[in-house]
Amino acid sequence: QSALTQPASVSGSPGQSITISCTGTSSDVGGYNYVSWYQQHPGKAPKLMIYEVSNRPSGVPDRFSGSKSGNTASLTISGLQAEDEADYYCSSYTSSSTDVFGTGTKVTVL
Amino acid sequence: QVQLVQSGAEVKKPGASVKVSCKASGYTFTSYGISWVRQAPGQGLEWMGWISAYNGNTNYAQKLQGRVTMTTDTSTSTAYMELRSLRSDDTAVYYCARDNRHENWFDPWGQGTLVTVSS
Repeated sequence: QSALTQPASVSGSPGQSITISCTGTSSDVGGYNYVSWYQQHPGKAPKLMIYEVSNRPSGVPDRFSGSKSGNTASLTISGLQAEDEADYYCSSYTSSSTDVFGTGTKVTVL
Repeated sequence: QVQLVQSGAEVKKPGASVKVSCKASGYTFTSYGISWVRQAPGQGLEWMGWISAYNGNTNYAQKLQGRVTMTTDTSTSTAYMELRSLRSDDTAVYYCARDNRHENWFDPWGQGTLVTVSS
């Protein structure tokens, strides 16, 4: 199972909106509404930010939103803040009943 | 609060085995599964496999089939991940995470266990 494809880096100024893409195939992202997103600060464990494409766990700011079109899922951060600077990973369920992560995106707040 | 606490760092020689533990608290252990995820230095996340804490069913990543075994001890709410025939490219931080198979998310995660494979 190949990793899902994400851009290596995305940047934005405070207050701006950025979008991170996550591209897979019809055997993973495109075939199921089981895409989740994780935020990871340096030296820390990942944190769940979005599940089932667009659902936010309690405690996650509504600045974070998710969507999907075809084989590509997206995470949008609106009103970018300094504390949003981190690595972000998507994950999807697959037709093999396994899970696969994306390649990861480093978000920089300028 | 829901929490997963992992065992400490390990240093192993090539060809050896390692067993990492993950003790859960704050929820009904058998109502969820546990997934294991690893992260090599400076690299991304790699899903290793999943175990149901309810019935012990497992599903492993194809590349690790035959080298990895995941188990649980429901009496102590602890999950274990054993990796055999260690190689240098198994050097990584190993995470456990509570796994909701119905909604397919991992939350929360353990603090991570660094496994270093070196001669």
